[in-house]
Amino acid sequence: KAGVTQTPRYLIKTRGQQVTLSCSPISGHRSVSWYQQTPGQGLQFLFEYFSETQRNKGNFPGRFSGRQFSNSRSEMNVSTLELGDSALYLCASSLAVFDGTDYGYTFGSGTRLTVV
Amino acid sequence: AQRVTQPEKLLSVFKGAPVELKCNYSYSGSPELFWYVQYSRQRLQLLLRHISRESIKGFTADLNKGETSFHLKKPFAQEEDSAMYYCALNPRGSTLGRLYFGRGTQLTVWP
Repeated sequence: KAGVTQTPRYLIKTRGQQVTLSCSPISGHRSVSWYQQTPGQGLQFLFEYFSETQRNKGNFPGRFSGRQFSNSRSEMNVSTLELGDSALYLCASSLAVFDGTDYGYTFGSGTRLTVV
Repeated sequence: AQRVTQPEKLLSVFKGAPVELKCNYSYSGSPELFWYVQYSRQRLQLLLRHISRESIKGFTADLNKGETSFHLKKPFAQEEDSAMYYCALNPRGSTLGRLYFGRGTQLTVWP
């Protein structure tokens, strides 16, 4: 069973540019969450999508956006990149059924974004 | 507001010694709690969830609602346990789909 796949693995961008990261969840998983991981702030929640709808959003500026497609694949976009956006961006997928049970999240390897 | 606290940033023990990684949380409702582990150069992976009350790789964790804690324990640490450990909370209900992570504890097990 394939895991959560994130592409690309590494990215180097310059300030002011925009970037799009991709995440393919485990087959059958309908929930996709995104997290930013930095040494200073740890793991911070960005947003979560379920059935193409954003259900939750963290405390990040509007430059951070995302979407989910009908096949559950998700993309996140960061516009007008800043040096502080340098981080490991993690995607996680989950079955996330509505019975209140959490089946846990499976994480991808992440995309390492460096802004110069 | 939900919060997860891991008071120890670094923890070192010798092989064969017991180890306990502390996790405290604040949440007014009924949370679901997890321990995730990240070995060097590997992806974050689920170690334990309190709901299943299982033991993985010799680790156990008990949810103590009175003390709002979910400490991770292992009676005899092994060198391969060296990793970064994260405690995480998922509030049920409307915020389904979001994990609140602690800052993590780097465990080093010396030979």
